[in-house]
Amino acid sequence: DAGVIQSPRHEVTEMGQEVTLRCKPISGHNSLFWYRQTMMRGLELLIYFNNNVPIDDSGMPEDRFSAKMPNASFSTLKIQPSEPRDSAVYFCASSFPTKSGGGNIYEQYFGPGTRLTVT
Amino acid sequence: QKEVEQNSGPLSVPEGAIASLNCTYSDRVSQSFFWYRQYSGKSPELIMSIYSNGDKEDGRFTAQLNKASQYVSLLIRDSQPSDSATYLCAVIKAAGNKLTFGGGTRVLVKP
Repeated sequence: DAGVIQSPRHEVTEMGQEVTLRCKPISGHNSLFWYRQTMMRGLELLIYFNNNVPIDDSGMPEDRFSAKMPNASFSTLKIQPSEPRDSAVYFCASSFPTKSGGGNIYEQYFGPGTRLTVT
Repeated sequence: QKEVEQNSGPLSVPEGAIASLNCTYSDRVSQSFFWYRQYSGKSPELIMSIYSNGDKEDGRFTAQLNKASQYVSLLIRDSQPSDSATYLCAVIKAAGNKLTFGGGTRVLVKP
């Protein structure tokens, strides 16, 4: 089975340009997560969706960032305008609930990431 | 206090020895706990999950959970140079499926 797919794998852009990152979750997974990882701040959750609906966007840094999930197999993270401090690795992850004991468990699987450099 | 705390390391371990990694969490209602391995330049890879107090073994890995003391640990037996990586502890609170990650512990296994 294919894992989480992200594109592009690398993106170099100039400050002020629009950047769009793409993600295809694992088929059948109903939750999708966008993370950002930097040396200084570690792995941070930006936003996540359940059944294509945004549930928690409290990690989105500011209005320059937006995310959409138009259907169960595709999501985008857009930065407009981009700034040098946005340089990071952006990961997409997906999960689905499985039964364990009295509740659901959610194991998240990560895509390969997009390394973004804004000059 | 951070929600999930780990010693950043590096934890240096001779080949063949046991590597012991610890993680503490602040929210007592946390229910699900995960260990991810991340090689340099790669994405996090899920290696263990644990939900009940006690030990859970999978190959050379053992996860230990103590909810009363709010810590979860990972043991790597017979450590190999290929185990050299950063190990991330992650926690899901009672509601929802949002993971909170610790800062990670870097492990170096020396031949």
